[in-house]
Amino acid sequence: NAGVTQTPKFQVLKTGQSMTLQCAQDMNHNSMYWYRQDPGMGLRLIYYSASEGTTDKGEVPNGYNVSRLNKREFSLRLESAAPSQTSVYFCASSGGTGVDEQYFGPGTRLTVT
Amino acid sequence: AQRVTQPEKLLSVFKGAPVELKCNYSYSGSPELFWYVQYSRQRLQLLLRHISRESIKGFTADLNKGETSFHLKKPFAQEEDSAMYYCALSRGSARQLTFGSGTQLTVLP
Repeated sequence: NAGVTQTPKFQVLKTGQSMTLQCAQDMNHNSMYWYRQDPGMGLRLIYYSASEGTTDKGEVPNGYNVSRLNKREFSLRLESAAPSQTSVYFCASSGGTGVDEQYFGPGTRLTVT
Repeated sequence: AQRVTQPEKLLSVFKGAPVELKCNYSYSGSPELFWYVQYSRQRLQLLLRHISRESIKGFTADLNKGETSFHLKKPFAQEEDSAMYYCALSRGSARQLTFGSGTQLTVLP
């Protein structure tokens, strides 16, 4: 039972390049989330998916797109990376009801030069 | 709009001393509040949730709706408590979280 897995762990991009961050969970959770973590700002929600087939914007969605490929997988795409997107990205999942806790992945450290 | 405020970026205490990490929130509905913790080189994980009214690793947190606070307390800090602590508020159809900016706790020997 791996929980929430993310790939890659590290990535360096040049401005304007694109990439997709992958996330998968094996806990049969309904809801999945993408956050970015920046120093002094905590974690901010980028996009979320309440259930398979649905996605919604969070607090900071500009410059990102997401795909809920199936119940297990939720990917985050940067179409044209910018230095402001340098951050640590976390994927999380939860049952999505009541006071379920969220389970987090190990994070992807992205640097855009 | 919902907001979670953690006024202290850094907090240092000596081992055995009491510790309190502050969290204030603003939310129009009935809040569901959590404390998450990130130890060095580990994943972010749930520490406790207000609805459970439990003590985890000696930590407790009481929801005070009058003061809109959810402070985290421990009577005797241990060195292994050193970590980044985040207060979070759950809301919306997917129970998505709004996090505070975090408090880095260092427990000195």
